[in-house]
Amino acid sequence: QSALTQPASVSGTPGQSITISCTGTSSDVGGYDLVSWYQQNSGKAPKLLIYEVTKRPSGVSHRFSGSKSGNTASLTISGLQADDEADYYCCSYAGPSNCVFGGGTRLTVL
Amino acid sequence: QVQLVESGGGVVQPGRSLRLSCAASELIFSGYAIHWVRQAPGKGLEWVAVISYDGSNKYYVDSVKGRFTISRDNSKNTLFLQMDSLRPEDTALYYCARSLPPPSYDSGHTSYFYGMDVWGQGITVTVSS
Repeated sequence: QSALTQPASVSGTPGQSITISCTGTSSDVGGYDLVSWYQQNSGKAPKLLIYEVTKRPSGVSHRFSGSKSGNTASLTISGLQADDEADYYCCSYAGPSNCVFGGGTRLTVL
Repeated sequence: QVQLVESGGGVVQPGRSLRLSCAASELIFSGYAIHWVRQAPGKGLEWVAVISYDGSNKYYVDSVKGRFTISRDNSKNTLFLQMDSLRPEDTALYYCARSLPPPSYDSGHTSYFYGMDVWGQGITVTVSS
């Protein structure tokens, strides 16, 4: 199974909103509402930000939101802050009984 | 404390074996499916395997099928990954991660893939001669 496609990098200034895309196929992103997003700070374990496309775990800021259209899922970060600078990964169920991650996106806060 | 702690990593020659462990508190282990996810140096995340809460179902990424075996000992709140016939491309930081519980209506193959909400700190495996 091929990795989902994410932009290698995105950047924004404090207070701005940015969106990270995650493109797959009808066999993964487009076929199931089972997309999750993770934030990984340098040298740290990933942290769950979004699950089931749009849901936020308790404790995750409302500045993080998820959506999906067709075969592309998106993570939007509003009110960008310096400590949002990290790597972001999407993950989708890719049936049968496996999942696939995106290649990751490095977010730089200018 | 809600945590997972991996151990058992190290440097191993190609073709040899290694067994990773992931110890957890009962609070976060019992009743949950658990995943292994790896990250090659400087690369992205790759899902490796998942095991159901009772060990009855196990699924693997194609690249490790027939070489890796996931298992768990619920009496000791510990997850394992037996890695045989190791290859240089298996070199990575290996994480164990708890699976979000699925909604009550989903008991099928998708039920293990709602997300991963608790992660260990990772353990390094290096396969090199």
